[in-house]
This record gives sequence, C-alpha cells and structure tokens, in this order.
Amino acid sequence: GAVVSQHPSWVICKSGTSVKIECRSLDFQATTMFWYRQFPKQSLMLMATSNEGSKATYEQGVEKDKFLINHASLTLSTLTVTSAHPEDSSFYICSARMSGFAGDLETQYFGPGTRLLVL
Amino acid sequence: AQKITQTQPGMFVQEKEAVTLDCTYDTSDPSYGLFWYKQPSSGEMIFLIYQGSYDQQNATEGRYSLNFQKARKSANLVISASQLGDSAMYFCAMRTNDYKLSFGAGTTVTVRA
Repeated sequence: GAVVSQHPSWVICKSGTSVKIECRSLDFQATTMFWYRQFPKQSLMLMATSNEGSKATYEQGVEKDKFLINHASLTLSTLTVTSAHPEDSSFYICSARMSGFAGDLETQYFGPGTRLLVL
Repeated sequence: AQKITQTQPGMFVQEKEAVTLDCTYDTSDPSYGLFWYKQPSSGEMIFLIYQGSYDQQNATEGRYSLNFQKARKSANLVISASQLGDSAMYFCAMRTNDYKLSFGAGTTVTVRA
C-alpha cells in the first residue's frame, strides 16, 4: 500500500525558533498534499492544501506567513512553523493524494504525524 | 459548507460484541465520499472503510461495515466482534469535489474484556 512518512516524529523547541516538518510520499507521486493540525482530544483541522509547483491554499484563520508550505516535488511537501510559540504546540499530520488517480474511489494516505512542543 | 457530526464522544463495548458509531453529514454537492478512520493513541490515522455517494450497496471491509442512508445523510460505522485492539478514536470524514476532507469530532471507543 501507499506509504507516507513524516520527519521528525516529534520535536521540542524554544519559543521563537522555526521548525520544519517534512512529508514524503515514499512509493507514489502526490500532486496534492494536505496539512492538518490536531490538538489533544480534538479532531483534525485542515490547515492548508499543498499543490506541487504552486502556492499553497490556506484555510480561513490559518496564517500563511506563520505556517510556510513548500511543495517542491511530487514526493515532498514541507511545513515550516516560523517563530513558534507555545500555542503552536500540537500534532501536525500530513496526507497525500495520489497523482493521476481520479474518480469516486479515492483515499488520502496519512503520515504518522509530528508532535511539536514549544517551550 | 460541509459538516460532519459525530454525537457520541465516547462508547464502551464488551469484547466480541458489535458497536455502532454514528455519523451524519451535510453537503450540497451531489458527488462526495465518506470515510472512517481509526486513530490509536500513537496518533496515526488508519483508513478503515469508504462509501461513495453513488454506491448502491453498503461498504464492508472485514469486521467493518458502513450503514449508508443517503436520504437521512447518515453513514454509521458498525464494528462487529469487537477486539481489545479496537480501542481507539474513530473519525468520520467527508470528501467533496475539491478533494479536501472534513472530519467529525470523533468517538472514543473503549473495548472491555
């Protein structure tokens, strides 16, 4: 089956620093990747849609200058949390949509997630 | 706007029994897909089952079945013969034409021995 990896799996950083999270599709090409954030005991909230070779589309209320997304290739998208603060501490999960697969039967493949703790 | 509602914050089920998790949705798009995911404490999202809006039959995958009632806009998940390893958070999600997924609030299932 399709595999998506995330790196790092967890990160602790000081307030004010920037953190980069990588999302890779290991055995397929992903035209589109999605970034979600999940606070404890809550649901996944879509932050942005990342399309290869173009600018990311951000959901309402998500600061694009705070959460920088780059999708430079069909297998890699990165999320950079700039000037992280304690309120950015969360579980960040990416998912990837397989390129060239259209139709009703379609699944997004999720990465294992990255736990970010900002001190 | 698309909306997914899961009204059960938590469920307890006895091992080997069946449990039904409720999910209702709201969309004006004629074409959509409904998903159920399992999230154990490790955090990974595990795909369980999919139902397309035009599918005539209810989806089944092993011990998982989806009770799709289109007119009522509900897509309940039934887990049969519950196992201790089924204890997790379960999310219902809907995909519409823009390929985005909207998730419900989730239901925590605890299987008792």
